[in-house]
Amino acid sequence: GENVEQHPSTLSVQEGDSAVIKCTYSDSASNYFPWYKQELGKRPQLIIDIRSNVGEKKDQRIAVTLNKTAKHFSLHITETQPEDSAVYFCAATFNDYKLSFGAGTTVTVRA
Amino acid sequence: NAGVTQTPKFQVLKTGQSMTLQCAQDMNHNSMYWYRQDPGMGLRLIYYSASEGTTDKGEVPNGYNVSRLNKREFSLRLESAAPSQTSVYFCASSETTQQFFGPGTRLTVL
Repeated sequence: GENVEQHPSTLSVQEGDSAVIKCTYSDSASNYFPWYKQELGKRPQLIIDIRSNVGEKKDQRIAVTLNKTAKHFSLHITETQPEDSAVYFCAATFNDYKLSFGAGTTVTVRA
Repeated sequence: NAGVTQTPKFQVLKTGQSMTLQCAQDMNHNSMYWYRQDPGMGLRLIYYSASEGTTDKGEVPNGYNVSRLNKREFSLRLESAAPSQTSVYFCASSETTQQFFGPGTRLTVL
């Protein structure tokens, strides 16, 4: 199956600074890469996704980049705010619609 | 439109007891999934169902069984619970690639 590695496991940033989370995947057939945000005690919620035919996608303060050749993709959060504090998971598809998730990054935004 | 719902929210079992976790979705999705979430390990796929009447094993199926009762409902059964099954269980559904998650069930096995 797919193997997704995510770094760093924890990230502390000053409010207003940028945060970057990186993931690598193993299956060259993967074609869909979502990012989920999970607040404490809540369900994971999709915040942005990218498909393999696109190199970059942006939604307000959040952007995702994909390098298919290197098999890695990254989440960028600009102008971080306290409400960005959460656990973020990357994922990649394998065998049609199944997802393999990274281990998660705990982001803390310091006021 | 409730999305994906799960029952119960919390459950405590003794080793060897059995129970069924229920999941339902009202989005008319074909695919449904069961994951477990453990600290530092992300979400791991237990079983999935690509469509009504079909189920398949995921990454960590041992100790679990599933039933796709109809298009809306997908249940997860623990026949003989073990402490290693202490976890938070999430159900999800999808029509294509985007998966929508339920609120989770926090299970403790003593």
